[in-house]
Amino acid sequence: QVQLVQSGAEVKKPGASVMVSCKASGSTFTDYGVSWVRQAPGQGLEWMGWISADNGDTKFAQKLQGRVTMTTDTSTSTAYMELRSLRSDDTAVYYCARDLGVTALSDWGQGTLVTVSS
Amino acid sequence: DIQMTQSPSTLSASVGDRVTITCRASQSISSWLAWHQQKPGKAPKLLIYKASSLESGVPSRFSGSGFGTEFTLTINSLQPDDFATYYCQQYNSYPYTFGQGTKLEIK
Repeated sequence: QVQLVQSGAEVKKPGASVMVSCKASGSTFTDYGVSWVRQAPGQGLEWMGWISADNGDTKFAQKLQGRVTMTTDTSTSTAYMELRSLRSDDTAVYYCARDLGVTALSDWGQGTLVTVSS
Repeated sequence: DIQMTQSPSTLSASVGDRVTITCRASQSISSWLAWHQQKPGKAPKLLIYKASSLESGVPSRFSGSGFGTEFTLTINSLQPDDFATYYCQQYNSYPYTFGQGTKLEIK
């Protein structure tokens, strides 16, 4: 079955950058896209963006444009999300999810807690 | 951006009850609507996609319906494992957007 395994928790200072990885197994990586979703403490889900694992096309939430980069490494079936110029309100659990289009976000990583604190 | 509004925000129910959660989109999203279940400290789990298609492995007591701007998630004969938070999500167009969530509590 499909499994998405994310990198471990991070603590960063305001203004720093963070990169979260998401390694996929159990299916052909280039057959789908990867969406990234975050959840601030006690809050709901916020979609951040999407990347095609096939050709690298991306879509981003407008509020994150210019601060976020999403990439993939097809040789290792890994997706990456980098968020720059971190602020305290970027503190959240970050999830990757397999995005199959028709079947929506069908499989989720376990989540990565990113804490931004001085 | 398409706004997704869920109701109610909190729902109290008992084991065995039938419950319905509603999700409204600010514009038509055809059938591009998913429902996710999330338990505390866990990642969301896809239950329903394309408004009414049951994800593989999800119990048949879960069902979804709707088209355009109005959608519902129904859970028949609530089980103890169903007490969680439920989110609708549109994937008709970018940016994808989620409802604010409905917390299903034990009465």
